[in-house]
Amino acid sequence: KNQVEQSPQSLIILEGKNCTLQCNYTVSPFSNLRWYKQDTGRGPVSLTIMTFSENTKSNGRYTATLDADTKQSSLHITASQLSDSASYICVVIPANQAGTALIFGKGTTLSVSS
Amino acid sequence: GAVVSQHPSRVICKSGTSVKIECRSLDFQATTMFWYRQFPKQSLMLMATSNEGSKATYEQGVEKDKFLINHASLTLSTLTVTSAHPEDSSFYICSARSNNEAFFGQGTRLTVV
Repeated sequence: KNQVEQSPQSLIILEGKNCTLQCNYTVSPFSNLRWYKQDTGRGPVSLTIMTFSENTKSNGRYTATLDADTKQSSLHITASQLSDSASYICVVIPANQAGTALIFGKGTTLSVSS
Repeated sequence: GAVVSQHPSRVICKSGTSVKIECRSLDFQATTMFWYRQFPKQSLMLMATSNEGSKATYEQGVEKDKFLINHASLTLSTLTVTSAHPEDSSFYICSARSNNEAFFGQGTRLTVV
């Protein structure tokens, strides 16, 4: 069964600190994996996209890693800011199945406090 | 990049009335769109898959007669919540795939009073 599991469920950190969010998946065949940021009451916004052959990709203070062998991905946030408080969702897109829905993790709720 | 536009962003309706939510792909054609519902502090849950020119596929537990989906063109899918009740109050989001990437609408906050 295709699944995406994220940890931790929630996280509280102080402004300026770093943190790492985890995503494990069992989706196969696999096209790509995306990390999304969802602010309360808004639609998810893409942060990074990782294809099967990529190991690391950065987008500003966000760095995503992917280990296709162990089917694990992480999102590292550097020098956190108050505006980073949001839900971070790991989404896996199955390959070659245009009509197949995205596989969502349940998300990690990050709270950055001053 | 590709854009998915969802309208309205917020709607308040009375119990028993129907509400239509539109999802448009602005610069690409989407033969398939997906509708999700999200309750407070919970993850997105897939309600149905909308297929252009054919019937939608509903997830288990989602009433197809209550949540009517129409995908009449390659750029527009609509979700109509019929005979809305307060328990239908939620955040509804649509998404579409383009070249193996996923794009989301801005979401619609539905409040049924």
